[in-house]
Amino acid sequence: GAGVSQSPRYKVAKRGQDVALRCDPISGHVSLFWYQQALGQGPEFLTYFQNEAQLDKSGLPSDRFFAERPEGSVSTLKIQRTQQEDSAVYLCASSLGGGLGPYEQYFGPGTRLTVT
Amino acid sequence: QQQVKQSPQSLIVQKGGISIINCAYENTAFDYFPWYQQFPGKGPALLIAIRPDVSEKKEGRFTISFNKSAKQFSLHIMDSQPGDSATYFCAAANSGYSTLTFGKGTMLLVSP
Repeated sequence: GAGVSQSPRYKVAKRGQDVALRCDPISGHVSLFWYQQALGQGPEFLTYFQNEAQLDKSGLPSDRFFAERPEGSVSTLKIQRTQQEDSAVYLCASSLGGGLGPYEQYFGPGTRLTVT
Repeated sequence: QQQVKQSPQSLIVQKGGISIINCAYENTAFDYFPWYQQFPGKGPALLIAIRPDVSEKKEGRFTISFNKSAKQFSLHIMDSQPGDSATYFCAAANSGYSTLTFGKGTMLLVSP
C-alpha cells in the first residue's frame, strides 16, 4: 500500500514568508509525528498527534510553528515569518497505534525547506 | 542534553566485512530501540528494533545487541554490501510516550 507522502518535496521561501507543509499518513494510522532534520543531524521531534488531538507540541521551536490535523488524517505544519534557521528537512511519520504502542514509525520522504 | 549518543560519526568498511555502530542512552525509561537507514533525499526507513527483554535480535544480515546494565545497544551489519552505504540512526522511546529520540547518525560507506 501507499506509504507516507509529503508535499511539496522542496520549498524555497524568502525570509518573512509563511509556509505550509502537508503530510498524508498511511491510511488508518492513528499517530502522526513531525520531526525536523538539520543537515548532517538526526531528526528532532517537533509535535505529535493521536487522531486529531495534538498530544505533545513541546518540540516546536517557537510560536511561529503551528501544526494541525483537523480530521485525524492529513496534517499541516505551518511556519509563519520564516527565518534562515528554519531551513531544514521536515519529516512526517505515522504509526498504527497510539499511547502504549506499537511504536513502529514510518517516515515520509520529507520536505526540504530553504529560507533565503 | 544529548539523550542518545551514537558512534562513530562515519565508517568505511570493505565489502563482505562487518559494520558495527554503537549507541548509548541515558534515560532508563526508554524501552524501545529502533534503527533507521536513510539514503540521500529519502526519509528514514525502519530496519530493525529491539525491546530490553531480549539481549539480541537478528533479521537477515542485521543484528541488534542490547546491554541493559550498560545502557548501550549496537547494530551489526554482516557481509556488508555497497548497497548498504547510507546513514544509520539509532533511536529510543519509552512506553506511553511514543516520540523517538534519535542519535546524530553514522555515515556508512561500504567499499567495493
